[in-house]
Amino acid sequence: QKEVEQNSGPLSVPEGAIASLNCTYSDRGSQSFFWYRQYSGKSPELIMFIYSNGDKEDGRFTAQLNKASQYVSLLIRDSQPSDSATYLCAVTPPAGGTSYGKLTFGQGTILTVHP
Amino acid sequence: DAGITQSPRYKITETGRQVTLMCHQTWSHSYMFWYRQDLGHGLRLIYYSAAADITDKGEVPDGYVVSRSKTENFPLTLESATRSQTSVYFCASRSGTPNSPLHFGNGTRLTVT
Repeated sequence: QKEVEQNSGPLSVPEGAIASLNCTYSDRGSQSFFWYRQYSGKSPELIMFIYSNGDKEDGRFTAQLNKASQYVSLLIRDSQPSDSATYLCAVTPPAGGTSYGKLTFGQGTILTVHP
Repeated sequence: DAGITQSPRYKITETGRQVTLMCHQTWSHSYMFWYRQDLGHGLRLIYYSAAADITDKGEVPDGYVVSRSKTENFPLTLESATRSQTSVYFCASRSGTPNSPLHFGNGTRLTVT
């Protein structure tokens, strides 16, 4: 089992719809969870992070974390063609271990928003 | 300008040559990382460093060497390049606070012929 798993997609949604991206992780003690967006040929850029159970909203983006079920999701409301990119989920390990400080990434989900 | 910079942006080299990719950050972040990104594999960690003179292997360290004599620099060396090391390489850094994000450089596209 991979440490961080994402559906590679592609996920295709119409403009204005809600895009839902999911990520599961294997280490129950994982601390922090990040969503990055990566446009083709560019480096990943941070969208948002979450570390407490529940929802966190930032503009059109909402991150949802459920530690009991070990999944984190990203909702994009009112999707725009400019949201078309690869979305990467990243997870930090439990505090205190030798790998503290590392982020482990999922393979990413390709999102296409069509007009 | 503050940030994290990688050089070169593009590099073509021949099999067997030694290549060094440079990474420099101006935030004084304690952690620095090297990832490679290939189709079908996502971002894979090569090496990381928790502080100057402290480095550790990641998921795919074979064929690579790193050093970190200064906090701000974290060069990655391919001692004898192979075609399988053709990839896009990203350097990243983060502070030591628990929820701090990774900040990525612009990447180096390396082609080994």
